[in-house]
Amino acid sequence: EAGVAQSPRYKIIEKRQSVAFWCNPISGHATLYWYQQILGQGPKLLIQFQNNGVVDDSQLPKDRFSAERLKGVDSTLKIQPAKLEDSAVYLCAITSDHTDTQYFGPGTRLTVL
Amino acid sequence: QKEVEQNSGPLSVPEGAIASLNCTYSDRGSQSFFWYRQYSGKSPELIMFIYSNGDKEDGRFTAQLNKASQYVSLLIRDSQPSDSATYLCAVAPSGTASKLTFGTGTRLQVTL
Repeated sequence: EAGVAQSPRYKIIEKRQSVAFWCNPISGHATLYWYQQILGQGPKLLIQFQNNGVVDDSQLPKDRFSAERLKGVDSTLKIQPAKLEDSAVYLCAITSDHTDTQYFGPGTRLTVL
Repeated sequence: QKEVEQNSGPLSVPEGAIASLNCTYSDRGSQSFFWYRQYSGKSPELIMFIYSNGDKEDGRFTAQLNKASQYVSLLIRDSQPSDSATYLCAVAPSGTASKLTFGTGTRLQVTL
């Protein structure tokens, strides 16, 4: 969880509602990722940013998910409208400037009822 | 579909024993390999990474990579109850940490 803050930590919503998650790297990191981790599975990459630009969003369900990264620092991930199958932990990760390895934030646990 | 496969477990080992965790991957182009530990309710924590064939040791942990056979393993010596967690294997197509593909993880239980 080094260097990455996420909020909120928990969120419960009803299906068809909207929700937003925030990722705040404590210090500047060029590369930022959003992952979705469904219970019992490994994290699945949703989107990768390099500075302000999107590098890979091939697995992002673009009809309902959107993400942005302003000024190459903080990032938001939004779901609109949410479905039951979106219940998961949403993890933000950054790449270390020194070892080129990914480090995860604490995650946001989303429950869609 | 690129895949990373792990036995979901649980793998149960007694305290002090060696735990052996295995991972196979389907993409022969994979270049970078990572092991993450995830405690229940927590986010994944990087344990080790390996890029070259052979062994890489760090304390009680040893990562082993065999690109010809497309498998990577993690050995934990002198297993402790605090090692009880889910271990996630991840691979990347290049020599960087980009575009990680994760396995479903192996749950390890270290018994007293």
